[in-house]
Amino acid sequence: GAVVSQHPSRVICKSGTSVKIECRSLDFQATTMFWYRQFPKQSLMLMATSNEGSKATYEQGVEKDKFLINHASLTLSTLTVTSAHPEDSSFYICSARDEGYSGNTIYFGEGSWLTVV
Amino acid sequence: GESVGLHLPTLSVQEGDNSIINCAYSNSASDYFIWYKQESGKGPQFIIDIRSNMDKRQGQRVTVLLNKTVKHLSLQIAATQPGDSAVYFCAASSGYSTLTFGKGTMLLVSP
Repeated sequence: GAVVSQHPSRVICKSGTSVKIECRSLDFQATTMFWYRQFPKQSLMLMATSNEGSKATYEQGVEKDKFLINHASLTLSTLTVTSAHPEDSSFYICSARDEGYSGNTIYFGEGSWLTVV
Repeated sequence: GESVGLHLPTLSVQEGDNSIINCAYSNSASDYFIWYKQESGKGPQFIIDIRSNMDKRQGQRVTVLLNKTVKHLSLQIAATQPGDSAVYFCAASSGYSTLTFGKGTMLLVSP
């Protein structure tokens, strides 16, 4: 099946620094990718929709200047957490829409654990 | 807006039993549904999907049933195995809208 790769799987950064997480669709092109955040024992919370070649669409309450999203190609979207703080520590997950399939199948990456110390 | 919920937060079964996980959705315009499995510390894994023009779809050991009349779908897992233990999410969308996820059901399989 379709594969979405996310990197790094785990990252620890110091408070005040920035960290970048990559999301790649490995065997399909994705004009649309999604970034989620997940807290323990909770469902996925959509942060933003990443559109190739255009600005991302952020959900209400998500700071676009803090969570920078770039979707420079049909197979890569990046999420940069800027000036990270301990409260940004979380599990971040990306997904990509396989538009080659006749509809809307969305596949997820393995997620990235971010710890801000 | 659309909401998707699950009836049971935790489901405990014995190995070899059949498991049924239920999900309700609120938006009658939803036309695409996916079940995901999420193991601890990992991203959701696609299990099976179904479109609104179908009421049943089968995969390997899994079956999804869709009842549009009552806006309900279920995931049936045959001969449940310990490796099936995970959190299961249903998700729904209409057209090309973003997926809306349910809260998740924890499936615990005892050997």
